[in-house]
Amino acid sequence: SQQGEEDPQALSIQEGENATMNCSYKTSINNLQWYRQNSGRGLVHLILIRSNEREKHSGRLRVTLDTSKKSSSLLITASRAADTASYFCATAAIIQGAQKLVFGQGTRLTINP
Amino acid sequence: DSGVTQTPKHLITATGQRVTLRCSPRSGDLSVYWYQQSLDQGLQFLIQYYNGEERAKGNILERFSAQQFPDLHSELNLSSLELGDSALYFCASRLFRDTGELFFGEGSRLTVL
Repeated sequence: SQQGEEDPQALSIQEGENATMNCSYKTSINNLQWYRQNSGRGLVHLILIRSNEREKHSGRLRVTLDTSKKSSSLLITASRAADTASYFCATAAIIQGAQKLVFGQGTRLTINP
Repeated sequence: DSGVTQTPKHLITATGQRVTLRCSPRSGDLSVYWYQQSLDQGLQFLIQYYNGEERAKGNILERFSAQQFPDLHSELNLSSLELGDSALYFCASRLFRDTGELFFGEGSRLTVL
C-alpha cells in the first residue's frame, strides 16, 4: 500500500507554539498534499508539493518533502486555537494508468488557549 | 464553501436496506471521487469517475456501486447495508483527471442500526 502514515496521531500544544506533523509513505509519488479537517466536516486542501520540490510555504504553513526518505512534514507556526483540527497527508501516484490520491490516518492537533 | 454539494447530510437506516448518496461536483469539474471515513479505518478511497467513466477503483465493496451522469453529478449506491457501513461518505471533485487538489463536500453521515 502507498498509504501515508502521519506521526504523531495526536498533538496538543499551547497557542503560539509551533506544531510539526510528519508523514511517511511507501511508494514513488508525483506529489504530496496536505489537508485539514475540522471535526465532522469536509477536508480542505492546504498545500501541494511536487516530487521535484523540497520545500513550500503558504502563510504560516511550511511543508518539506524528502523523497529519498519518503517523508514529508507540515509545520504550522505561531499556532492559534482555530488551527485545532485533524491534518492529513495524501500521496498521489499513477497506478494502472490512473492517479489515486490516498490519505493517511491523520494527526489530531489541539491548540490550547 | 467548496462548491461540492452532498445530499443527504444525515441518513439513518436499518441493516439490509439500500441507500443512495448524491454528489454535485464544483461547476466545471470533471473528476469525482468517493471516500469513506470511519473511526477505525481512516479515509478510504472508494472510486473515481472522470467525465462519466469509471477511472479508478479502490476498496469498494461489491455491495456498493457508483455512477457519474452526463450532467456530471454522481451517486453512490450502498446495498445490503451492514452495521460496519456506518461512516461518513465524502465526495470530492477536481477539474483535471489526474492532478491537482481535491475539493470536498461536507459529507453524508450514514448510520446503520
